[in-house]
This record gives sequence, C-alpha cells and structure tokens, in this order.
Amino acid sequence: ETGVTQTPRHLVMGMTNKKSLKCEQHLGHNAMYWYKQSAKKPLELMFVYNFKEQTENNSVPSRFSPECPNSSHLFLHLHTLQPEDSALYLCASSTSEGNWAEKLFFGSGTQLSVL
Amino acid sequence: GQSLEQPSEVTAVEGAIVQINCTYQTSGFYGLSWYQQHDGGAPTFLSYNALDGLEETGRFSSFLSRSDSYGYLLLQELQMKDSASYFCALARNDYKLSFGAGTTVTVRA
Repeated sequence: ETGVTQTPRHLVMGMTNKKSLKCEQHLGHNAMYWYKQSAKKPLELMFVYNFKEQTENNSVPSRFSPECPNSSHLFLHLHTLQPEDSALYLCASSTSEGNWAEKLFFGSGTQLSVL
Repeated sequence: GQSLEQPSEVTAVEGAIVQINCTYQTSGFYGLSWYQQHDGGAPTFLSYNALDGLEETGRFSSFLSRSDSYGYLLLQELQMKDSASYFCALARNDYKLSFGAGTTVTVRA
C-alpha cells in the first residue's frame, strides 16, 4: 500500500467511448502527476498539478483531459482514444516543498486497452 | 533535454551481486533516484543521490558521479523477491522526474 489508489485497475474501451481514470492520495501531498508507461519505454510525464493548479502539460493530445478538484483527487478523462494510447497510466503524488521530484509515491496504475 | 540509458535486462542467481548502471545527459538536475516496480505493481522509491558518492540502504546501494554523468544501483545478496524492473530517474531543476526505460532483473534459484 503506497497511499495512492487508482481505479479502475483495468479498462477496455472502444475508440468512440468516454471514460475516466481516478486517483486518490492519502498522504497529504500537494503535487499530483499523471504518467504513461508503455512497454520497454521510459515513463512519460503527462500532467502535473500543484495545489490543484496545472503546472505542466507535456504536449499531451487533447483527447486526454485532466481534472484536479482538490489536492487529494486527480482524474484523467478519456475520449476518442486511439489504439496507440493503450498503456499503463500511473498516478503519483509528492510534497511540493523543497525538491518535489526527490521522492514520488505511485499508484498501481490503470492498464488501458483501446480497441 | 534529458536522456537516461540503462541496460534492458540482467539475470543473476540468488545470493549474487548485481550492478545496474545508468548514464545520463542533462543540462541540470538536483539528484538521481532509483525505483523498483514488480509486475502489475506500483513503482516504489528505493534511493536518492543528491551528492556524489555511495548511499546504502540495507542490501541496496546507489552511487552517483556527476563528473562522469553516471550512477548505479547495487543489489547485494540477491533474493527471488528482487526480480523486478528497476528505473533510474533524474530529479530535474524544474522539479520533474525524467525516467530511464528500466532494467528487468531476473533472479534464478
């Protein structure tokens, strides 16, 4: 248990569907992240939120839409995805004091398959 | 930009020592981190080197040399449960983490 919970664990969707991924952290952190993990590739940073404000959008296509209603919750809304978007989507959180990136706490991810 | 290189796979027997090297190119960073990820699990933090030298945490040690743009993770007294993927990551000056592609360690009996 890392203190970061993601749901669902697995998701299969068609290219015309709309779905949302949910992340919740119980660590009192103020920074939250979405990463994409594809096989044999480095984790790709997608979005960063600090105190509910988006501070990073790493050139992510608009078919991915993040939402951060408070410091404990993070969503990733998905619509009209492509098969190449199939991957493991990881949520993480960290303190936003000092060096934020020194230690991230990750959830177990949502394994997404786009048909 | 930043890039990190690490071997894709390493295999060793129980009780052995494994060293996973990580070389990087970056314009500036605060430190080098290491994460472990078991199949189907969350990446979990192992260690962080802000300064050059060796950091020891139980059976795992991590090393950083800024002058050589190089670091490594040392796994000692390997156990079956150490079979996992290991990622090096740069803590960038903009407070973001950039990851390597990961090294899959397989421990055999």
